[in-house]
Amino acid sequence: AQKVTQAQTEISVVEKEDVTLDCVYETRDTTYYLFWYKQPPSGELVFLIRRNSFDEQNEISGRYSWNFQKSTSSFNFTITASQVVDSAVYFCALSEARNNNDMRFGAGTRLTVKP
Amino acid sequence: DADVTQTPRNRITKTGKRIMLECSQTKGHDRMYWYRQDPGLGLRLIYYSFDVKDINKGEISDGYSVSRQAQAKFSLSLESAIPNQTALYFCATSDGGMKETQYFGPGTRLLVL
Repeated sequence: AQKVTQAQTEISVVEKEDVTLDCVYETRDTTYYLFWYKQPPSGELVFLIRRNSFDEQNEISGRYSWNFQKSTSSFNFTITASQVVDSAVYFCALSEARNNNDMRFGAGTRLTVKP
Repeated sequence: DADVTQTPRNRITKTGKRIMLECSQTKGHDRMYWYRQDPGLGLRLIYYSFDVKDINKGEISDGYSVSRQAQAKFSLSLESAIPNQTALYFCATSDGGMKETQYFGPGTRLLVL
């Protein structure tokens, strides 16, 4: 069965530091999708990115970047020059094409950015 | 206005009571989902529906039931609430297909005493 591991339970950084959130996944499917969601203190879940298994290009969106490496089954998320507003819980998730109704989430990483 | 709404946003109930959480969406999506979030466990899928006539159990469906009243509405019921159902509940929608992305409602905080 698919599985997502976010080994970092909590991370604390000082504003302007770079921070990387790790995500390691397990799947037997060759076609799958990886996601990152942000959950700020207000509680809602905000979609950040989706990646399919055939596209290993890294992606950059402003201060956010994602490093997808199939060789290590990882989909890490880096925030450059972190800001206090980045403080949130971040979830990595995986869905398999053959079973894309069932999106499995990691346990989440709580990021605290201090001023 | 939000695309996915949930009511109520907060609810306190007692053990044994039946309660219903409601979800509505204006995104026109066929697929709808119910998840619960517990600290340290991420989100876990309770039920999902691919259209009005389709209901499927998720990872943790015991103690829950759902109703898909229309394409835009998907309700979650706790037939007889118990304290370990205290959690944050999220509804989500997606348009399915190969590029499925789920969009979440604001969540309902449920406390079962």
